[in-house]
Amino acid sequence: EAGVAQSPRYKIIEKRQSVAFWCNPISGHATLYWYQQILGQGPKLLIQFQNNGVVDDSQLPKDRFSAERLKGVDSTLKIQPAKLEDSAVYLCASSASRAARSYNSPLHFGNGTRLTVT
Amino acid sequence: KNQVEQSPQSLIILEGKNCTLQCNYTVSPFSNLRWYKQDTGRGPVSLTIMTFSENTKSNGRYTATLDADTKQSSLHITASQLSDSASYICVVSEQTGANNLFFGTGTRLTVIP
Repeated sequence: EAGVAQSPRYKIIEKRQSVAFWCNPISGHATLYWYQQILGQGPKLLIQFQNNGVVDDSQLPKDRFSAERLKGVDSTLKIQPAKLEDSAVYLCASSASRAARSYNSPLHFGNGTRLTVT
Repeated sequence: KNQVEQSPQSLIILEGKNCTLQCNYTVSPFSNLRWYKQDTGRGPVSLTIMTFSENTKSNGRYTATLDADTKQSSLHITASQLSDSASYICVVSEQTGANNLFFGTGTRLTVIP
């Protein structure tokens, strides 16, 4: 099966600019996650979608970050305006299960978008 | 507070040698623990998963152990290969209504020839 697709792979922007990342999950996976991974740290959940509905966005900095999954398939994560501390890898993951703790359905991660804010 | 701590932070070993990575957690109530391998520039890939009733799980040269009483897990890599160079992340999930995964910061393993 094709994996989780993300684009772009790299993005360099200046602070206060805006940026958008795109994710296409594995076909049939209803659950989609966006994670932020700062260098040397584990991934941090930003938002979880179940089909086109938001399940958890409690850690999403809503003053600057937004995400949508309008048709319940691919998703876009946007940052506007970007800050220096947003420099990180943004990982998209999908799962066949609604529960992240599912034994039989692990999260499948894309290769991420590396964002550098200067 | 639910936390996952991994050690060592980084490790360098010679090709062919064995190594063991550690994961200690305070997540409660515990659901399961999963080890992921993350190659440089790639997303994490699941290696093994264990619940409280499983104290060992193997995947090729990778063997994970779990002691749910002491809340410790280890990942043992046998006969290391250059392709084992990666970060290994321990992820613990809790058995509650919240859908939370707790990620460790990972151990960076470098295998040298």
